[in-house]
Amino acid sequence: AQKITQTQPGMFVQEKEAVTLDCTYDTSDQSYGLFWYKQPSSGEMIFLIYQGSYDEQNATEGRYSLNFQKARKSANLVISASQLGDSAMYFCAMREDNAGNNRKLIWGLGTSLAVNP
Amino acid sequence: DGGITQSPKYLFRKEGQNVTLSCEQNLNHDAMYWYRQDPGQGLRLIYYSQIVNDFQKGDIAEGYSVSREKKESFPLTVTSAQKNPTAFYLCASSKRDRGNEQYFGPGTRLTVT
Repeated sequence: AQKITQTQPGMFVQEKEAVTLDCTYDTSDQSYGLFWYKQPSSGEMIFLIYQGSYDEQNATEGRYSLNFQKARKSANLVISASQLGDSAMYFCAMREDNAGNNRKLIWGLGTSLAVNP
Repeated sequence: DGGITQSPKYLFRKEGQNVTLSCEQNLNHDAMYWYRQDPGQGLRLIYYSQIVNDFQKGDIAEGYSVSREKKESFPLTVTSAQKNPTAFYLCASSKRDRGNEQYFGPGTRLTVT
């Protein structure tokens, strides 16, 4: 079973509007971390935001915020005031902290975001 | 500026040849990783290394080999045993503190014909 699910293969948003990219995860661990990355057409993966499972506040980094709903096992990325440069693939990833797994990341299949002028 | 470099950006090889992809970081990170990405897919882990002179197989290690002789360097060799080597290869590194967010290089696009 997939551990990271991104249900939106593609999304469109109008410039300057906010957009939410969905991510649900599956783990039995109490301690884990959730990440969002951006991959523009150049190919490089750019780290955006991190949320730890014990963090009580939702993470924010500039225009990015993570809507963390632990009971629902969701970690949605919210991008406020979209810009044309936000057009890219977005990946959600999870790190499980159980002993012995060496803190690898488990990746979703991504959501393609297109920002319209 | 600190970062991760991968070279070359594009690489072409004939089938049956081994090829080595370079990955260097000056972030003083302990851990390094190699991923493969195919069109329309997420990332799949090939190998990773938590410390110098030690590395572990990821999910798709068959047909690949690595070395970690220096903290800064983690080269990946794509051998002739890899059945479908054409792909985009990404190298990453991370610290060992709380977040462990991975930082990525620009990637190498390998085409084998």
